Amino acid sequence: DIVMTQTPLSSPVTLGQPASISCRSSQSLVHSDGNTYLSWLQQRPGQPPRLLIYKVSNRFSGVPDRFSGSGAGTDFTLKISRVEAEDVGVYYCMQATQFPLSFGGGTKVEIK
Amino acid sequence: EVQLVESGGGLVQPGGSLRLSCAASGFTFNSYWMSWVRQAPGKGLEWVASIQQEGGEEYYVDSVKGRFTISRDTAKKSAYLQMNSLRAEDTAMYFCARSKGGEIGAFDHWGQGALVTVSS
Repeated sequence: DIVMTQTPLSSPVTLGQPASISCRSSQSLVHSDGNTYLSWLQQRPGQPPRLLIYKVSNRFSGVPDRFSGSGAGTDFTLKISRVEAEDVGVYYCMQATQFPLSFGGGTKVEIK
Repeated sequence: EVQLVESGGGLVQPGGSLRLSCAASGFTFNSYWMSWVRQAPGKGLEWVASIQQEGGEEYYVDSVKGRFTISRDTAKKSAYLQMNSLRAEDTAMYFCARSKGGEIGAFDHWGQGALVTVSS
């Protein structure tokens, strides 16, 4: 099974400053079809998760361009270029390259 | 507009059963993978099960294999999760999710969730 490890657990950020979240997988997420099925989701308090990024670096419809994803193989990063108040919540990476699907443990983004 | 609405949650005793439903609208239901993801109180997300497009394969996390069954009904545009032999550790909010495009790859739409509490 693929284990997803996120760091940090918590990220206190000043409004307008950047934030970065790391996600590492226990094995390569490159699928036999050549795609890398690593996505990022945001969960605001009391809300269901929301897709931000799919296949490592593709921004989902309606997601602000201050969110970006990068990485390859086993190491991935979500960056928020300038944190806004509405970005507060927990962020999860998820792999769908191999069953069982798995999520990282989550990173809480909060305002300093 | 894509919508997923879960129902069927509630309080059940250990060893009991529940059936969750996920009513889908706003898209061609039989063209998409459907999945269930749960979140225990105060905890992170855990994938539970996925089902391929109509007539396709089913996949489960080990902890629910043999106890839970995922299914779908194209005519009713609904996905289901039959949960048997429930345990306290199954207590969670259960979310229905749709996969983007024709592949399992990412969950692009989520329901609001159905709360399942297993307690005597």
